[in-house]
Amino acid sequence: QKEVEQDPGPLSVPEGAIVSLNCTYSNSAFQYFMWYRQYSRKGPELLMYTYSSGNKEDGRFTAQVDKSSKYISLFIRDSQPSDSATYLCAMSEGAGGTSYGKLTFGQGTILTVHP
Amino acid sequence: GAGVSQSPSNKVTEKGKDVELRCDPISGHTALYWYRQRLGQGLEFLIYFQGNSAPDKSGLPSDRFSAERTGESVSTLTIQRTQQEDSAVYLCASTQTRFAEGEQFFGPGTRLTVL
Repeated sequence: QKEVEQDPGPLSVPEGAIVSLNCTYSNSAFQYFMWYRQYSRKGPELLMYTYSSGNKEDGRFTAQVDKSSKYISLFIRDSQPSDSATYLCAMSEGAGGTSYGKLTFGQGTILTVHP
Repeated sequence: GAGVSQSPSNKVTEKGKDVELRCDPISGHTALYWYRQRLGQGLEFLIYFQGNSAPDKSGLPSDRFSAERTGESVSTLTIQRTQQEDSAVYLCASTQTRFAEGEQFFGPGTRLTVL
């Protein structure tokens, strides 16, 4: 079993839809939770960064972390064709220990928003 | 300012040849990571540098893989005697903080194809 599980999709939605992306994880030491967006043939770019449990909102994006369930989500409101990309969840144990901040990624979900 | 750059952007090589992949991190970023992304997969951690030292090499898949960093700047990932399973996109990321609680900035990657 992988440390981080993410449904690869693909997911296709009409413009304006609300998109929900999810990841589950097994390592209870993860403290930092991130969502990256990756366009084709580009490097990942950070969308959302959350420490511990709770919600964080940034414009059309909302990230949720439920550490008790080991479950994280990203919601995209009023989705746009420009949101079409691969969305990767990533997690880190953070400072201390020997993890050195390395990220553990989910497989990525391919999202297409059609006009 | 300039982001993380990687070269070459694409590399096609024959099985058994050695390859060198280069990463130029953002100036002043002390932490540098290498990841590998196989087709349709998430990113896998390879190695972490703090300055010129590599305290975590746990992700290197075999002794054919090595990496170095000089001048707390440029890093080179070397793959000796390449195999077809080495075909992937190799991504480099850098961050300012020692234990990377901050954002990791990714380069565009080097797409390696081993024939």
